[in-house]
Amino acid sequence: DSGVTQTPKHLITATGQRVTLRCSPRSGDLSVYWYQQSLDQGLQFLIQYYNGEERAKGNILERFSAQQFPDLHSELNLSSLELGDSALYFCASSVEGGREETQYFGPGTRLLVL
Amino acid sequence: GDSVTQMEGPVTLSEEAFLTINCTYTATGYPSLFWYVQYPGEGLQLLLKATKADDKGSNKGFEATYRKETTSFHLEKGSVQVSDSAVYFCALNNDMRFGAGTRLTVKP
Repeated sequence: DSGVTQTPKHLITATGQRVTLRCSPRSGDLSVYWYQQSLDQGLQFLIQYYNGEERAKGNILERFSAQQFPDLHSELNLSSLELGDSALYFCASSVEGGREETQYFGPGTRLLVL
Repeated sequence: GDSVTQMEGPVTLSEEAFLTINCTYTATGYPSLFWYVQYPGEGLQLLLKATKADDKGSNKGFEATYRKETTSFHLEKGSVQVSDSAVYFCALNNDMRFGAGTRLTVKP
């Protein structure tokens, strides 16, 4: 158990809908990362937050947005969903978001868009 | 841009065989390099890391050496076990780049 929690574990929804994925980092970690894992794209970095502020942006679509709240939990919002958004979404956390730091991954949220 | 190229799988070995999974990278500056492992149904977890050239990361019998001259970070283990069956990811901390993953299956 990494100490990172993600809810829900599974999500099934329809095209055009909007969903919110939630992540709670390890106790004491200030930085949160979001990743998308799909069969064709592999593991893609989406976005990183540090203590409530966006720190780095990866391949995140404009239909997707995220935020980190004062209690350090984070939410990833996916809107206007398409079939291709079906994937496993991972959240990870680290102490301060430094480049040499280990990231601790949650168990993931499996999203299926029908 | 920065990238990680990882040996394609899947790799199937017999128990106690020697394992090598190749990883090469392209990066600006002096990145830190990581190997993460993903067991079935779980998130990724750090296996080992190296933060500067010639560093050797090691854990659970796995080793990898940061070779700047060949821009490589190959993962090795002298004697694999069935419990090592998983997907292995090489990663570069610049822009959080991950390799495509190599699925390892170890047969008894």
